[in-house]
Amino acid sequence: KAGVTQTPRYLIKTRGQQVTLSCSPISGHRSVSWYQQTPGQGLQFLFEYFSETQRNKGNFPGRFSGRQFSNSRSEMNVSTLELGDSALYLCASSFTGGGVPLHFGNGTRLTVT
Amino acid sequence: AQTVTQSQPEMSVQEAETVTLSCTYDTSESDYYLFWYKQPPSRQMILVIRQEAYKQQNATENRFSVNFQKAAKSFSLKISDSQLGDAAMYFCAYGPGDDKIIFGKGTRLHILP
Repeated sequence: KAGVTQTPRYLIKTRGQQVTLSCSPISGHRSVSWYQQTPGQGLQFLFEYFSETQRNKGNFPGRFSGRQFSNSRSEMNVSTLELGDSALYLCASSFTGGGVPLHFGNGTRLTVT
Repeated sequence: AQTVTQSQPEMSVQEAETVTLSCTYDTSESDYYLFWYKQPPSRQMILVIRQEAYKQQNATENRFSVNFQKAAKSFSLKISDSQLGDAAMYFCAYGPGDDKIIFGKGTRLHILP
């Protein structure tokens, strides 16, 4: 069974630009969560989607948004990029979300210059 | 608000020795899940072990075991017979069952040959 796939693996953007990251969950998983990982803050929860609906949201500004498609694939968008958005963005999927174990992808390393 | 605290940013252990990583959490919930994840340099987060709060018995997975103290809200990870491949960042995580999983800031574990 294929794991969680995140694309691209690396991305370099300039301040003010926008970026879209993609995540394909494990087949059959309906929940997709996104986390931002930085050395100083660790893993911070961005949002969770379940059956195309945002079910949980973290404390990030509105520049961070996401969506989930009917095939459970998810995209995350960051508009008006800031230097502080440089981070590893991790996507994780599970059957139902909540307290069940998450299966993570390899992440997308975003660098904002 | 629920929080997860890992008080040891870095630890080192001699190969074949035993090491214990500490984790405390804060919650008012009675039913939840606790996890330990491992993140090697490859960046992919891997589930090491999972504990259901309603179970008094401590979870064990081969060389990995936990000491779960519900009243003290403590969830430590013991790695026996440490191996070079155990070198990684270890994250303690809390999942309330119907909400997002919250991670601690991690403990970097070095294995000394």
